[in-house]
Amino acid sequence: TQLLEQSPQFLSIQEGENLTVYCNSSSVFSSLQWYRQEPGEGPVLLVTVVTGGEVKKLKRLTFQFGDARKDSSLHITAAQPGDTGLYLCAGLNRDDKIIFGKGTRLHILP
Amino acid sequence: NAGVTQTPKFRILKIGQSMTLQCTQDMNHNYMYWYRQDPGMGLKLIYYSVGAGITDKGEVPNGYNVSRSTTEDFPLRLELAAPSQTSVYFCASSYGNRVDTIYFGEGSWLTVV
Repeated sequence: TQLLEQSPQFLSIQEGENLTVYCNSSSVFSSLQWYRQEPGEGPVLLVTVVTGGEVKKLKRLTFQFGDARKDSSLHITAAQPGDTGLYLCAGLNRDDKIIFGKGTRLHILP
Repeated sequence: NAGVTQTPKFRILKIGQSMTLQCTQDMNHNYMYWYRQDPGMGLKLIYYSVGAGITDKGEVPNGYNVSRSTTEDFPLRLELAAPSQTSVYFCASSYGNRVDTIYFGEGSWLTVV
């Protein structure tokens, strides 16, 4: 079974601080996705990374795919209250099914 | 843009009752999915479909059934509801396995009492 472990599970920091959350697996994924989910809504896709070592930036968010395509990280610079939410990573496994991690619940304090 | 539309938004069921969660997408996506999300957890795949007339089980299919008679619709049927099926259900669709095209509905909150 291909599992995705996300850490930390919860993170509460002050506005303006930087943070990194992680998504790790012992398995190789053909691609990894990051989603943000706000209360009462469905997940919204932020980015897809496909190539080992790939780095993508989305404003203050930087996403990196590990060289071996087993892990990924999300770094947020100068966090803002609008960044608050549940961040989910998901991977496309060998059966073309999207498998989700449990998520990191991020709270940015004003 | 409607995207992925789920109904109902909220529902309370008694143990043993049955119901259908409706899901419709207007993006002509061939892949559709049903996930459930329990409190503090990620999403678990219940069933998915790669096209009209084709369905397949995901990680947690027991207690559910699906059908895909059209490209647009992918209803999820709960037979003999159990408290363990209390969850938030999300329908999603994508263009093939191109996960960069995936869209989720807003969710259906189901409570079984």
